Amino acid sequence: GESVGLHLPTLSVQEGDNSIINCAYSNSASDYFIWYKQESGKGPQFIIDIRSNMDKRQGQRVTVLLNKTVKHLSLQIAATQPGDSAVYFCAENFGSYGQNFVFGPGTRLSVLP
Amino acid sequence: NAGVMQNPRHLVRRRGQEARLRCSPMKGHSHVYWYRQLPEEGLKFMVYLQKENIIDESGMPKERFSAEFPKEGPSILRIQQVVRGDSAAYFCASSTTPPRGVSTDTQYFGPGTRLTVL
Repeated sequence: GESVGLHLPTLSVQEGDNSIINCAYSNSASDYFIWYKQESGKGPQFIIDIRSNMDKRQGQRVTVLLNKTVKHLSLQIAATQPGDSAVYFCAENFGSYGQNFVFGPGTRLSVLP
Repeated sequence: NAGVMQNPRHLVRRRGQEARLRCSPMKGHSHVYWYRQLPEEGLKFMVYLQKENIIDESGMPKERFSAEFPKEGPSILRIQQVVRGDSAAYFCASSTTPPRGVSTDTQYFGPGTRLTVL
């Protein structure tokens, strides 16, 4: 069945370094992907999205890359800051109505001082 | 523009009681989604609703769980005869109508309701 997973369940980076969080998806028909950040005790917060007709999209300090050939998604965070510490989820658009999202288990990002 | 609102934020119930979780979508959003999250896990889709209609409830247990999104008022997720396994965080998200030719639109999440069943 369709699934979304992450290669690294935990990631520790030094403050100021760049972070890369990876995600694999299995549904080749999915055409929309979102990265969310979830801090402890809070709801997921939208970071950036990308549609399947794009390979790359940039936001403020974040970049999402989509490789449809190998069904791989990544989130790059430039100059990682302590406030970036959180769990990051990728979500894959799935469902006949185009509204059902499948979330990966998440990667915990820890920023070291 | 207020975000997605959920209440209560924390809910404690004893086994066999009913739990009612409320979600008010963002202004202008007509699509509501409910997700469940167990500790240290990702979000699991439960149900997708538009005003007065359930569009997709494929992720919702067949028994004890129900959801509605009335014409007026918040969306309600109701869990009857709760069991300890229902303890989780329940998140609501909302989105606007996708632009023409686009399959979906970004979902914005509320802060969640943490249900504890004793």
